[in-house]
Amino acid sequence: KNQVEQSPQSLIILEGKNCTLQCNYTVSPFSNLRWYKQDTGRGPVSLTIMTFSENTKSNGRYTATLDADTKQSSLHITASQLSDSASYICVVVYGQNFVFGPGTRLSVLP
Amino acid sequence: DGGITQSPKYLFRKEGQNVTLSCEQNLNHDAMYWYRQDPGQGLRLIYYSQIVNDFQKGDIAEGYSVSREKKESFPLTVTSAQKNPTAFYLCASSKRTGGRSTEAFFGQGTRLTVV
Repeated sequence: KNQVEQSPQSLIILEGKNCTLQCNYTVSPFSNLRWYKQDTGRGPVSLTIMTFSENTKSNGRYTATLDADTKQSSLHITASQLSDSASYICVVVYGQNFVFGPGTRLSVLP
Repeated sequence: DGGITQSPKYLFRKEGQNVTLSCEQNLNHDAMYWYRQDPGQGLRLIYYSQIVNDFQKGDIAEGYSVSREKKESFPLTVTSAQKNPTAFYLCASSKRTGGRSTEAFFGQGTRLTVV
């Protein structure tokens, strides 16, 4: 069964600290992997898209990594800000299908 | 402004009533999607459409219906047959489905509550 799992389910960090969110997937065949940020009560917004051949991709303070062999991805956030408080969703695409993970809820405290 | 717009933001429905959620995009995208989001779960696909006048069932289509009469519009009707309709509904669109360069844009969502 095609699944995307994320950990931790929720995370609380202090402003300025770094954190790493994890994504494991069993989706096959793999097309690409995306990370989205979703603010409470809003639609998700794309952060990164990575294909099979890409190991890392950055978008400002967000850096995503992909290990296609182990089917794992991570999203690293550096120097966190209060505005980073949101849910982060890992999405794996195969063919015409998007498989969404349940998300990690990040809270950044002052 | 270019984008994808959902309305209304909040919607209340009495049990036994049908209700229609609106989704409009001016991005000239061919593909449009409807997802349902419940707490602690990933987004689940209800219906999707790759072209005007054509649409396909997703994973949880029962109790829902859609139409795609115009490229810009993909309304979702939640019927009385949907037993647990209270949820956050998200509409998305993309230029084409699934490819590397496909970027999916989401609307701001509609929160439906059955009272």
